[in-house]
Amino acid sequence: DTGVSQDPRHKITKRGQNVTFRCDPISEHNRLYWYRQTLGQGPEFLTYFQNEAQLEKSRLLSDRFSAERPKGSFSTLEIQRTEQGDSAMYLCASNTGTGFNLGANVLTFGAGSRLTVL
Amino acid sequence: GENVEQHPSTLSVQEGDSAVIKCTYSDSASNYFPWYKQELGKRPQLIIDIRSNVGEKKDQRIAVTLNKTAKHFSLHITETQPEDSAVYFCAAGGGGATNKLIFGTGTLLAVQP
Repeated sequence: DTGVSQDPRHKITKRGQNVTFRCDPISEHNRLYWYRQTLGQGPEFLTYFQNEAQLEKSRLLSDRFSAERPKGSFSTLEIQRTEQGDSAMYLCASNTGTGFNLGANVLTFGAGSRLTVL
Repeated sequence: GENVEQHPSTLSVQEGDSAVIKCTYSDSASNYFPWYKQELGKRPQLIIDIRSNVGEKKDQRIAVTLNKTAKHFSLHITETQPEDSAVYFCAAGGGGATNKLIFGTGTLLAVQP
């Protein structure tokens, strides 16, 4: 599978625990995005990397959330001291380094990591 | 702030009929408008997209129209089939310094055989 890979696919944890999700984007994609999706809603933007640089972070993102992309390839999203409201599907997506208005720059999603906080 | 509104939230049509989903966006700098289809338990998949220099784009039974002045864009599916049943999301983005997409809340399309 040469698409966007996410791990784990499912995570059940108790409130207060830390969890970490991993995303492996398509290899030639410079840009990587994290989104969160809850039932009945569209994907909500969390943060965006160009190579290893985190260029934007949603104002809605709590300080308990942190994301890294240390070598400009895979990325991790960590949630500390999880709360029940963090239960959601965490989607990773990637695309090439050109802008949307400059050509084909389709955002490709991974299958997601579903988090359930008990 | 940036916002994308999508209507209707649910849509039920008979097989063979047409379906139309409408979106409006708030950020006038947006210049890229994709539509994604998401089946239950699966990832969103791009079905069609349009850029701001084009008013309409068609791909077989699917078409998208864009009115930049009114900040409206729409998805049109003709000759609907049961396999078109899914949740459809519009999105807008690409403007200015940001490269994020802002998604609508989705439309659950049910095609009745």
